[in-house]
Amino acid sequence: TQLLEQSPQFLSIQEGENLTVYCNSSSVFSSLQWYRQEPGEGPVLLVTVVTGGEVKKLKRLTFQFGDARKDSSLHITAAQPGDTGLYLCAGAKAGGTSYGKLTFGQGTILTVHP
Amino acid sequence: GAGVSQSPSNKVTEKGKDVELRCDPISGHTALYWYRQSLGQGLEFLIYFQGNSAPDKSGLPSDRFSAERTGGSVSTLTIQRTQQEDSAVYLCASSPWGDSNQPQHFGDGTRLSIL
Repeated sequence: TQLLEQSPQFLSIQEGENLTVYCNSSSVFSSLQWYRQEPGEGPVLLVTVVTGGEVKKLKRLTFQFGDARKDSSLHITAAQPGDTGLYLCAGAKAGGTSYGKLTFGQGTILTVHP
Repeated sequence: GAGVSQSPSNKVTEKGKDVELRCDPISGHTALYWYRQSLGQGLEFLIYFQGNSAPDKSGLPSDRFSAERTGGSVSTLTIQRTQQEDSAVYLCASSPWGDSNQPQHFGDGTRLSIL
């Protein structure tokens, strides 16, 4: 079973602070996706990282894929109340004929207070 | 519509009843996925369709759960003899074809409550 351990589970911070969310596994993934989900809605893709060591930036969000493609991190700089939500990492099956089945982490509930 | 549509958005039913959940994927998307999400948690994979075939049903929790897809489009997830532990949000996603690097487009889910 390919498991993704996501931490922390809960994060409550003040506006302007920085934060990092981690996603770790003992398994190799062909890609790692990060999603953000708001209450009552489905997850929305933020980014996909594919190459080991890859770093992608999306405004104040920085995503990194580990060199061995077993872990990833999401760093948010100067968090804003609009960043509040559930952040999910999801790994795609590596090897063989990959059909896009995703294994999700448990999620990080982020609350940014004004 | 342009996105994945799920119905109903909410369903409350009594323990022991059967329920049907519907998913309309994005037009032209051949891959369709069902997931289950408990409150504030990550998503649990249930089943994957490529066209009308389901090559991976490994996530279905028990034989009370079944799913079908017709015409390469609409999918229905059926839960028979519902139990309280079936209460969750059921999410459907689609992508153009099954590939690990493609984003999955999610509907807003069906919130199922078993009394």
